[in-house]
Amino acid sequence: DAGITQSPRHKVTETGTPVTLRCHQTENHRYMYWYRQDPGHGLRLIHYSYGVKDTDKGEVSDGYSVSRSKTEDFLLTLESATSSQTSVYFCAISGSGSSYEQYFGPGTRLTVT
Amino acid sequence: GENVEQHPSTLSVQEGDSAVIKCTYSDSASNYFPWYKQELGKRPQLIIDIRSNVGEKKDQRIAVTLNKTAKHFSLHITETQPEDSAVYFCAASSGGNNRLAFGKGNQVVVIP
Repeated sequence: DAGITQSPRHKVTETGTPVTLRCHQTENHRYMYWYRQDPGHGLRLIHYSYGVKDTDKGEVSDGYSVSRSKTEDFLLTLESATSSQTSVYFCAISGSGSSYEQYFGPGTRLTVT
Repeated sequence: GENVEQHPSTLSVQEGDSAVIKCTYSDSASNYFPWYKQELGKRPQLIIDIRSNVGEKKDQRIAVTLNKTAKHFSLHITETQPEDSAVYFCAASSGGNNRLAFGKGNQVVVIP
């Protein structure tokens, strides 16, 4: 597996609390992505980054924010968690150029009660 | 944006038979088409991919074919084994920044 880690791997939180998920890579890849995976919906892009401090929205960005202060770390924040954000969250990375290959981290299972 | 659809949603095959999963895409500008395998509780793993300048690619028991005119691509698994049981996702390049649009996934069950 590519050098990607996610933390925490599991989290249970209450509605209305802030939550931050971390993705860390050791591959020095330019691009990083946050997806959520829900039954029947496949993988949906939340936000992505194309460089340090360069981020943009994906298809399901409402209620989420991201930050990338250094190449190796990409943070996903749920400002005020809701039950609809209960999901498995995957981080992915991709190298420079137009190679397009994406490699996924191990995932974080988030439950909002 | 790109829209990727997969059919069938669930596929059951006898061990040793072949399995074929088909995906369609909407954006004729897409030029990269990967397939991912996800076992239960695991991360999606890239198993094979194809670019638009190639019609077919093989890697041991798996192959991918691309029909750009019809905008569809397929994953072929021959001599299926129980360890091939998983969810398979297709994807297509979507816009810049190496983004991918994913299909909803196919559950493949190999019956021993």
